[in-house]
Amino acid sequence: QKEVEQNSGPLSVPEGAIASLNCTYSDRGSQSFFWYRQYSGKSPELIMFIYSNGDKEDGRFTAQLNKASQYVSLLIRDSQPSDSATYLCAVRNYKLIFGSGTRLLVRP
Amino acid sequence: DAGVTQSPTHLIKTRGQHVTLRCSPISGHKSVSWYQQVLGQGPQFIFQYYEKEERGRGNFPDRFSARQFPNYSSELNVNALLLGDSALYLCASSLLQEVPETQYFGPGTRLLVL
Repeated sequence: QKEVEQNSGPLSVPEGAIASLNCTYSDRGSQSFFWYRQYSGKSPELIMFIYSNGDKEDGRFTAQLNKASQYVSLLIRDSQPSDSATYLCAVRNYKLIFGSGTRLLVRP
Repeated sequence: DAGVTQSPTHLIKTRGQHVTLRCSPISGHKSVSWYQQVLGQGPQFIFQYYEKEERGRGNFPDRFSARQFPNYSSELNVNALLLGDSALYLCASSLLQEVPETQYFGPGTRLLVL
């Protein structure tokens, strides 16, 4: 079992829709959770982090954390073609562990 | 403010050679971490340094080594290069006392081993 699992996608959504990206993790001791966006050929860019159960909103982005289910998600509202990228989930215990990423394609 | 900088941006080496990659953290950040990202995968943790001391090490062979300098910049060295070392090498800096500790990535060095 991988430590951090993400569906590789691609997840295809129409412009203006809500994109829902999911991530599960295996280590119950994990303390904080991060979402990064990575455009093709570029380095990861931090979108947001969350470390308490529940929802955290930042603009069009909402991160959701359920520690009991070991599940983290990222919702992108009003998706734009410029949101098309790979979204990396990362989980921190004593080190930062990344999933393989989900590729999101927003269709104009 | 300048972000994390890395050099060189691209590098081509042959098997068996040695490579040195360089990184300068965000001003005020004292911790530097190195990651390897192969195509189609997420970044994989190699090392973290804080105040010139190794703070953590991932599951990489001894061919990989790193150090941090008094100005908090860092070098990653890889000896006896293998074809499988071809990857994007990412440096990230962080403030250890930030809650949670958040890694900010540089642009990366793309290494191709022939």
